[in-house]
Amino acid sequence: DTAVSQTPKYLVTQMGNDKSIKCEQNLGHDTMYWYKQDSKKFLKIMFSYNNKELIINETVPNRFSPKSPDKAHLNLHINSLELGDSAVYFCASSQDEPGETQYFGPGTRLLVL
Amino acid sequence: SQQGEEDPQALSIQEGENATMNCSYKTSINNLQWYRQNSGRGLVHLILIRSNEREKHSGRLRVTLDTSKKSSSLLITASRAADTASYFCATPQGGSEKLVFGKGTKLTVNP
Repeated sequence: DTAVSQTPKYLVTQMGNDKSIKCEQNLGHDTMYWYKQDSKKFLKIMFSYNNKELIINETVPNRFSPKSPDKAHLNLHINSLELGDSAVYFCASSQDEPGETQYFGPGTRLLVL
Repeated sequence: SQQGEEDPQALSIQEGENATMNCSYKTSINNLQWYRQNSGRGLVHLILIRSNEREKHSGRLRVTLDTSKKSSSLLITASRAADTASYFCATPQGGSEKLVFGKGTKLTVNP
């Protein structure tokens, strides 16, 4: 049973396109996150939602828009993709507040050409 | 801003040896967490140590926390080839308690 799942696993697309990454957790957690990991393995939080409400919104271009239809899902939509968006995007979830243990998905490898 | 900084950046040992990784942080914390990331995979939570704890064990893992020095160490005893991975420390930061990750230590365990 997959706890935190993401689709797609790989995403190759052209500059300027719009794409979405989906995330689902079956752990019953209240809080979900999106992280970006760059080529140097540096992992940085982008967004966090608690029970469908945005609670963390880092300095991320507004081309990135998270959407949480329910507390088990947190999708990431990216408009007008740029070369610098190429990275691995991880979804995560936690039971309680953000400072506690987080459970990560397998990642989505995005390559913008 | 970077909160946790792991040291060393890379570590290569033989199977059976112990591996020690260190993490330093800058501000006061409620807890410190260690995660493992195998190549091409997501992060896996290993252990969480709270600010009022000094040492914690989980299987072959031993984590220490020294809040006076703002540092933590992760010891993996009797390492195995399967322990080959990157190891990250993470600390909650700011009013939102977002987790801030260090740059990681890449551990290679040679069979």
